[in-house]
Amino acid sequence: DAKTTQPNSMESNEEEPVHLPCNHSTISGTDYIHWYRQLPSQGPEYVIHGLTSNVNNRMASLAIAEDRKSSTLILHRATLRDAAVYYCILVYYNQGGKLIFGQGTELSVKP
Amino acid sequence: EPEVTQTPSHQVTQMGQEVILRCVPISNHLYFYWYRQILGQKVEFLVSFYNNEISEKSEIFDDQFSVERPDGSNFTLKIRSTKLEDSAMYFCASSGWGSVSYTFGSGTRLTVV
Repeated sequence: DAKTTQPNSMESNEEEPVHLPCNHSTISGTDYIHWYRQLPSQGPEYVIHGLTSNVNNRMASLAIAEDRKSSTLILHRATLRDAAVYYCILVYYNQGGKLIFGQGTELSVKP
Repeated sequence: EPEVTQTPSHQVTQMGQEVILRCVPISNHLYFYWYRQILGQKVEFLVSFYNNEISEKSEIFDDQFSVERPDGSNFTLKIRSTKLEDSAMYFCASSGWGSVSYTFGSGTRLTVV
C-alpha cells in the first residue's frame, strides 16, 4: 500500500485558512487521494477526495500537485469544531478497498 | 443524512468471554468493514465483507474474530474469547457501489477486564 507523510500536528487561529499538507511520492496512477478527519471520541468522517484535479466541496478544498506526489487540504475558515486529526489516505480505486490510516495531523484551533 | 449505527456504545466484558458488536450499515451499501483503534493509537483495518463473504482481512483478524451479516440490515463482529489487548474502540464502516467515500459509525468502546 502506498504511504503518505503528514506533519504530526498543526495549529490554526479561528476564522483563518488552514493548509494541511500531505506527501505521497509513491502514489500510483490508480490511487485516489482521500482525506478523512476524526473528531475527539468519534469515528472517522469523510472530508474530500480527488484523483488529478483540484476539488471543492462544502467542507473543504483539495489541491493536488501536478505530479500527484503531494496534496493539500484547505479549510477556508477554521472553526473550533474543525479541531480533529486529519488523515490523508491513498485508496486504490477498486470497489471495496480498505483504508489504511497513518498517524494523521492533529489540528488544534485557537479562538 | 444516512448513518451507520453501532450498538452498544460501550461494553465491558471479562477476559475469556465472547462479545458481539453490532452495526447497521447504510441500507443501500454493499461493502462493510470493521476497524479498531486502541487508545492513543491509529485506526487499524480488521476486515472487509462483500457479497456475504470476507473479501480481505488483516493479520489482527485471527481465528478469534468472525463477522456475519445475519439478515439484510445487521453486520456483526464476534470475538470468541476476549483478551485484555482486545480493549479498543471498534468502528464499523460501509460504502456503496460507485461510491468512493466510506461512512463510519461512532464506534463501540470495548473494555476487557
